Amino acid sequence: QVQLQESGPGLVKPSETLSLTCTVSGASISGLYWSWIRQPPGKGLEWIGNVYYSGGTNYNPSFKGRVTISVDMSKNQFSLNLSSVTAADTALYYCARVLVGSHCYAMDVWGQGTSVTVSS
Amino acid sequence: DIQVTQSPSSLSASIGDTVTITCRASQTLDRYLHWYQHKPGKAPHLLIYTATTLQSGVPSRFSGSGFTTEFTLTISSLQPEDFATYYCQQTYSHPHTFGQGTKLEIK
Repeated sequence: QVQLQESGPGLVKPSETLSLTCTVSGASISGLYWSWIRQPPGKGLEWIGNVYYSGGTNYNPSFKGRVTISVDMSKNQFSLNLSSVTAADTALYYCARVLVGSHCYAMDVWGQGTSVTVSS
Repeated sequence: DIQVTQSPSSLSASIGDTVTITCRASQTLDRYLHWYQHKPGKAPHLLIYTATTLQSGVPSRFSGSGFTTEFTLTISSLQPEDFATYYCQQTYSHPHTFGQGTKLEIK
């Protein structure tokens, strides 16, 4: 059974960098895409970006170059860095597995989410 | 970016009812449109992918239809566990945008 678990600081100061890790168990990172999504309080889901296991990435332009997603195959993990954070980046952050082929990039397995608050 | 407009934003219904949620895209998505269910405190759950295909393990009362720019999610014979927020997502082109969500509440 594939499981994803997000981890990282729950509190980040304004202007600093938010760093989260998603640990994948029950499956290899190899051969697939992996994604980050967030949900600000009281709002809907927002797609942040995805990473291919070999390192290729796609990002949401709304983040204006602040996002970096990377893969560590040796640890079966992928990570999110979001720089220059403000209170607007306070959200529940999810990681997810992306299936290509017949699933056409649908996300079939999600982590439980980790809450991040941006505050001094 | 492709805009995805989901409606209604909220919906009240009773157990046993049939409800329909719609997503309209600003340009063609072919069949690259998926539906998720999200309950508070839980991870979102993939219900339907590529507009019409039921994800493994999802009850058959959920169904999807549509092609190119207009898509619907239909839930037949509503059960108590179906009250949640539903999102569509397009993956035709990056960024892979979500609809605004539809909160389904018990009447």
